[in-house]
Amino acid sequence: AQRVTQPEKLLSVFKGAPVELKCNYSYSGSPELFWYVQYSRQRLQLLLRHISRESIKGFTADLNKGETSFHLKKPFAQEEDSAMYYCALLDAGGTSYGKLTFGQGTILTVHP
Amino acid sequence: NAGVMQNPRHLVRRRGQEARLRCSPMKGHSHVYWYRQLPEEGLKFMVYLQKENIIDESGMPKERFSAEFPKEGPSILRIQQVVRGDSAAYFCASSSGQNYGYTFGSGTRLTVV
Repeated sequence: AQRVTQPEKLLSVFKGAPVELKCNYSYSGSPELFWYVQYSRQRLQLLLRHISRESIKGFTADLNKGETSFHLKKPFAQEEDSAMYYCALLDAGGTSYGKLTFGQGTILTVHP
Repeated sequence: NAGVMQNPRHLVRRRGQEARLRCSPMKGHSHVYWYRQLPEEGLKFMVYLQKENIIDESGMPKERFSAEFPKEGPSILRIQQVVRGDSAAYFCASSSGQNYGYTFGSGTRLTVV
């Protein structure tokens, strides 16, 4: 069964410091992975997806198949980055096409 | 395009009452997904529907919960005889099924008192 693990529920950094939000997955096929962000009590927004290899708001994430990881990184955190971050894996096969499996989420707090 | 619309934003029910949560997908989207976010937990998949069909309901509790996506109108998540443990944020997402482009609604926060 597919699984997404975000080992840190809470992560605190100071403004300007580097930040890394960890995500590990287990999936038998070729994974499609995403990072979503949820600002305070708002809707989830797609931050980035691994297949596009883009950088959004300074965040990047590299898929490491050997370590089954998809960690989210930003070299210099900003206060407005404070939010809940979810790593998600897409089940693109069978009858569950399009179903996302989410990690538990990491609350990032960036202190001034 | 108004995006995915969920209503109500907040819903308070007494134990034993019924809760009806509505989700109108984005225009042109025929795939709807419901997720539940419990306090201190992440998002859990509940059900995946296409027009008039339930495709995957593996995340739905066996009792009291049901979902539909009729030919006309919004998708409805229905919880009968609510209990305190049903208190959560319920999010709906829609997609066209083509390019994994999920769009989430703002959610309905259900409080059972």
